[in-house]
Amino acid sequence: GAGVSQSPSNKVTEKGKDVELRCDPISGHTALYWYRQSLGQGLEFLIYFQGNSAPDKSGLPSDRFSAERTGGSVSTLTIQRTQQEDSAVYLCASSPGLRQGGYGYTFGSGTRLTVV
Amino acid sequence: AQSVTQLGSHVSVSEGALVLLRCNYSSSVPPYLFWYVQYPNQGLQLLLKYTSAATLVKGINGFEAEFKKSETSFHLTKPSAHMSDAAEYFCAVSDRGETSGSRLTFGEGTQLTVNP
Repeated sequence: GAGVSQSPSNKVTEKGKDVELRCDPISGHTALYWYRQSLGQGLEFLIYFQGNSAPDKSGLPSDRFSAERTGGSVSTLTIQRTQQEDSAVYLCASSPGLRQGGYGYTFGSGTRLTVV
Repeated sequence: AQSVTQLGSHVSVSEGALVLLRCNYSSSVPPYLFWYVQYPNQGLQLLLKYTSAATLVKGINGFEAEFKKSETSFHLTKPSAHMSDAAEYFCAVSDRGETSGSRLTFGEGTQLTVNP
């Protein structure tokens, strides 16, 4: 697509429920990133996919968080047993990847998650 | 390890005045540096990037930034603020390591207010 698409744009869920957030990157972009932006704070790195390499999961805050990227394209971020502190905007970004000179991301508009 | 410090979480200027948003970085290798802007309820948009060509980088919307290695700085400026510049601005740093990928580390952001 023309840009990075994220769905849903807003999600309200009850504490303890599981949620799935979707990211559809720009076609041909080999690198995909998930960040979390909490109210009044900067961007917190969560996970990074680059081509067929093993993902860099070093930013995932707990084992309740997981992500996968199928077919090198669409990615799903899953949060199990959601907690109120998970409330944030989850941003996805993609880039062409290093070997294509791809420094700098294109961001989606984010998914605003509210856990009540 | 890399880090970014943005001095001033809030900056307020009058319309037509100079905009100066400060960013200092720490990196063990020559960095790539970026400024992003985020308008309310939107994702981040790339303003400009430094990737070792000219040290003075011009971006969109009349913004520019100068890379100063001796000061480890990459401050963002605009000669004359416009009301539409009101937004949050993020500075980010990336290393150039082929193995570590182009993961960006973001500062905590500076909220720019433009007064009429």
